[in-house]
Amino acid sequence: DAMVIQNPRYQVTQFGKPVTLSCSQTLNHNVMYWYQQKSSQAPKLLFHYYDKDFNNEADTPDNFQSRRPNTSFCFLDIRSPGLGDAAMYLCATSRDGSGANVLTFGAGSRLTVL
Amino acid sequence: GQSLEQPSEVTAVEGAIVQINCTYQTSGFYGLSWYQQHDGGAPTFLSYNALDGLEETGRFSSFLSRSDSYGYLLLQELQMKDSASYFCAVYTGGFKTIFGAGTRLFVKA
Repeated sequence: DAMVIQNPRYQVTQFGKPVTLSCSQTLNHNVMYWYQQKSSQAPKLLFHYYDKDFNNEADTPDNFQSRRPNTSFCFLDIRSPGLGDAAMYLCATSRDGSGANVLTFGAGSRLTVL
Repeated sequence: GQSLEQPSEVTAVEGAIVQINCTYQTSGFYGLSWYQQHDGGAPTFLSYNALDGLEETGRFSSFLSRSDSYGYLLLQELQMKDSASYFCAVYTGGFKTIFGAGTRLFVKA
């Protein structure tokens, strides 16, 4: 089945220790997104790639970076995680932003910061 | 700012009908979507309304009134497996989808 896979599902890191979360997709979608979801809150868009074009949301902290080396993979790098960065990180894809722009999500990576 | 308002919690009994409302205030509007998220799981797409009116997909229906900036998700013949969080979301264009904070639905036997 075509899908979005995130690794790891659970990540524990220490305050200030860099962490990388990965996302891969077999849907061949052009657009990949990273959302941050804190407990009982709405998913918040951090950034997206349309093909190789990167778009950062205005309120996304500089601490968060992303890479998309090819169509299938996208990475979220958190350079110096703080306690406030503990959250579920959701990767999503969409075909091309047309119509409903239906998002297909991965199962998420839950980040704990000690 | 941009915001979507929906109730935080709804409780209903198995077999009943429940309606989850959503009002939105956004700078752009292409359509209103609904996503379901079970605990520990990924949000999954349920429905999309770009035009006013009711869209029906099996036990789920979704309604939109663009003039009122309002929509709802209607779940019929509730089942225990429908216990989950339901998010309304507005696609504002430019690859940006804004989510509400979610409504947690509890289905009781």
